[in-house]
Amino acid sequence: RKEVEQDPGPFNVPEGATVAFNCTYSNSASQSFFWYRQDCRKEPKLLMSVYSSGNEDGRFTAQLNRASQYISLLIRDSKLSDSATYLCVVNSGYSTLTFGKGTMLLVSP
Amino acid sequence: GAVVSQHPSWVICKSGTSVKIECRSLDFQATTMFWYRQFPKQSLMLMATSNEGSKATYEQGVEKDKFLINHASLTLSTLTVTSAHPEDSSFYICSARGLAGVKYQETQYFGPGTRLLVL
Repeated sequence: RKEVEQDPGPFNVPEGATVAFNCTYSNSASQSFFWYRQDCRKEPKLLMSVYSSGNEDGRFTAQLNRASQYISLLIRDSKLSDSATYLCVVNSGYSTLTFGKGTMLLVSP
Repeated sequence: GAVVSQHPSWVICKSGTSVKIECRSLDFQATTMFWYRQFPKQSLMLMATSNEGSKATYEQGVEKDKFLINHASLTLSTLTVTSAHPEDSSFYICSARGLAGVKYQETQYFGPGTRLLVL
């Protein structure tokens, strides 16, 4: 089983739509969780950390379910500029970040 | 947020040459820097973890004699791809994490990456 699994997509949605991504992780000892965004041919950029209580940042909401070992990201009112690959990232120890392959989102006019 | 730079941003070289990539934390001191590699449509794969003043820790399958890492200061780490071959062509990205107990401790901040093409 892969350490961090994501549906690669692409998810094609119209502007204004709500879209959700899920991610599962295999290491139950994982301590912290993140969503990164990666634009084509660019480096990943931190979108948000994911907390057990769930957290929201504007149009973005992240949830963590430790019992089921999955993380979700919800994007409301999608913008064209949201088109990117969203990486689920798990920190299984002090140093190590494990990246999923990413889920591609394409928002169309 | 923290700024991490990489140089060069892209490089094309002949097979057999060595290529040096620099990673700098511009506005914070990074005790730990990480080197990743990403092939097309693949996830970022950690190559090695570099702590200032000590030897790098390489991930399984990464040849330490081929990918030389030096972390001589709290703001600079270098990756040298020795005797590069076409299969080494990839997107190399570094990240930096700040000193414990201060700002930027938890999060890794990524450099813009270096695209290497070996002919």
